[in-house]
Amino acid sequence: EPEVTQTPSHQVTQMGQEVILRCVPISNHLYFYWYRQILGQKVEFLVSFYNNEISEKSEIFDDQFSVERPDGSNFTLKIRSTKLEDSAMYFCASSVEGGEQFFGPGTRLTVL
Amino acid sequence: AQKITQTQPGMFVQEKEAVTLDCTYDTSDPSYGLFWYKQPSSGEMIFLIYQGSYDQQNATEGRYSLNFQKARKSANLVISASQLGDSAMYFCAMREFSGGSNYKLTFGKGTLLTVNP
Repeated sequence: EPEVTQTPSHQVTQMGQEVILRCVPISNHLYFYWYRQILGQKVEFLVSFYNNEISEKSEIFDDQFSVERPDGSNFTLKIRSTKLEDSAMYFCASSVEGGEQFFGPGTRLTVL
Repeated sequence: AQKITQTQPGMFVQEKEAVTLDCTYDTSDPSYGLFWYKQPSSGEMIFLIYQGSYDQQNATEGRYSLNFQKARKSANLVISASQLGDSAMYFCAMREFSGGSNYKLTFGKGTLLTVNP
């Protein structure tokens, strides 16, 4: 069964460093999403992406964040200068148009 | 105002019994969808069941069913014959039309279900 994959599963970084979280969506999906879950809290929407551009972003998704689809398979989330409060689980999801969103296993980001 | 409200931070159920997890929602969009996801301690998000706002019948998927009461804006998850493996965090989520074909999900705070042997 096709699935969304994410790498790495756990990323530890120093405050102020840049990180790139990678996702490989399901191959026939064209709609991509990033969500964040701070430990013990609810899942929060960050950004949605379609046709090589951002469709919608939340107030969390400030200038420190960017997304990219560098090739036909990867979808990345970049945080330019990480802060302690960026520590969270980051989920990538993908869908067909109007379909249910399939989530990846998540990347746990720890900022020290 | 919260768009998705899950009023039960934690629930306990005996193995083999049924349990209902509550979810109420708030939207002015006539077209929306409601989802339930399971998050075990390992952290992944597992899709369980979906209900569209125009669906005439309540959704069912195996042991999972959704008690959809549109007038009350509630979409409770019913798990029948609970199993030890059902112990997890359960999130209710809503999808609204967001001006394009992408539909962001808005999640509730979750309910931690513990199944006792």
